[in-house]
Amino acid sequence: GENVEQHPSTLSVQEGDSAVIKCTYSDSASNYFPWYKQELGKRPQLIIDIRSNVGEKKDQRIAVTLNKTAKHFSLHITETQPEDSAVYFCAASKGNDMRFGAGTRLTVKP
Amino acid sequence: GAVVSQHPSRVICKSGTSVKIECRSLDFQATTMFWYRQFPKQSLMLMATSNEGSKATYEQGVEKDKFLINHASLTLSTLTVTSAHPEDSSFYICSAPPGQNYGYTFGSGTRLTVV
Repeated sequence: GENVEQHPSTLSVQEGDSAVIKCTYSDSASNYFPWYKQELGKRPQLIIDIRSNVGEKKDQRIAVTLNKTAKHFSLHITETQPEDSAVYFCAASKGNDMRFGAGTRLTVKP
Repeated sequence: GAVVSQHPSRVICKSGTSVKIECRSLDFQATTMFWYRQFPKQSLMLMATSNEGSKATYEQGVEKDKFLINHASLTLSTLTVTSAHPEDSSFYICSAPPGQNYGYTFGSGTRLTVV
């Protein structure tokens, strides 16, 4: 089955700096890659996603890149703000089968 | 947008009792519902996939007799934790794929504490 690895597990940045979280997946048939932000005790919220026919997608301060050949994808957050502090999960999906990475706890220091 | 309503949000039960968790899709039909369990500071682990009108598919290591899943209609899926024990204490969350152009929508989660 699909195996998703996510790094780093924790990330601390200064407000205004950029943050990058990387994920790799094992199943080349996976074709949908969402990123979720989860605040403590709350549901994961979709922040951006990318499909396998696209290499890059951007939404304001958030961007995701996908390298299908290498089977890795990354989340980039620019101009980080304290409210960006949360746990971020990547996921890889094939059809209805979605698997999550272990999560990255991002802390943005004011 | 697509909304999944999950109840209860928190439940405390005694060891040996059963707890039912409901997830309802409010503005779309969910033929499939995923059930995840999340331990503190860990990722979401898929437990099972429920399909409307058919038996649920369980992930390896998940006891189907302990975690009963029912998906009787296109808008309702339930997870029943039977004979709960303290080690079942966790955050349970459901998710449904509302359509091709949307990310998977999560319920608000249920924090189960078994005492």
